[in-house]
Amino acid sequence: GENVEQHPSTLSVQEGDSAVIKCTYSDSASNYFPWYKQELGKRPQLIIDIRSNVGEKKDQRIAVTLNKTAKHFSLHITETQPEDSAVYFCAASKTTMIKAAGNKLTFGGGTRVLVKP
Amino acid sequence: ETGVTQSPTHLIKTRGQQVTLRCSSQSGHNTVSWYQQALGQGPQFIFQYYREEENGRGNFPPRFSGLQFPNYSSELNVNALELDDSALYLCASSLWLSNQPQHFGDGTRLSIL
Repeated sequence: GENVEQHPSTLSVQEGDSAVIKCTYSDSASNYFPWYKQELGKRPQLIIDIRSNVGEKKDQRIAVTLNKTAKHFSLHITETQPEDSAVYFCAASKTTMIKAAGNKLTFGGGTRVLVKP
Repeated sequence: ETGVTQSPTHLIKTRGQQVTLRCSSQSGHNTVSWYQQALGQGPQFIFQYYREEENGRGNFPPRFSGLQFPNYSSELNVNALELDDSALYLCASSLWLSNQPQHFGDGTRLSIL
């Protein structure tokens, strides 16, 4: 099955600096890659996603890049702010009509980001 | 638009007991997925329901079972609770094969004593 690895596990940055989180996946059939932000005691919230037919996607201060050949994707946060402090999870899935594949999300282990004022 | 809601928010059980967790999907969504999130880890896929049938299952034993109802709401049942079942249980809803993302509820924090 799919395996997603995420690095680093913790990341401390100064406010205004950039943060980069990297993930690798094992299943070349995976075609959908969302990123979730989870604040303490709250639900994971989708912040951005990318599909395998696109190499890069940007939404204001957040961008995601995908390298299908190398099977890795990255989250970039620019001009970090204290409210960006949270745990970030990458995930991978494959959209399929085959029953039992389940279109399940396989998550990385998470990155705890701390933005220091 | 109504988001994903889960109940209860917290639950304390003892080993060997049984528990039922509930999830109401976001309006317009017909697919519900359940995940287990242990402390400090990423969510792990348990199973997914579509059209009231299980559609895919992760690496969880049969004592984890579920249901989906005609209104697309869902239940997660866990029998013979073990200490390792202590976790946050998350429900996510989506629209089957719509190419749209899954949206999560706030979860149920289950503690096993």
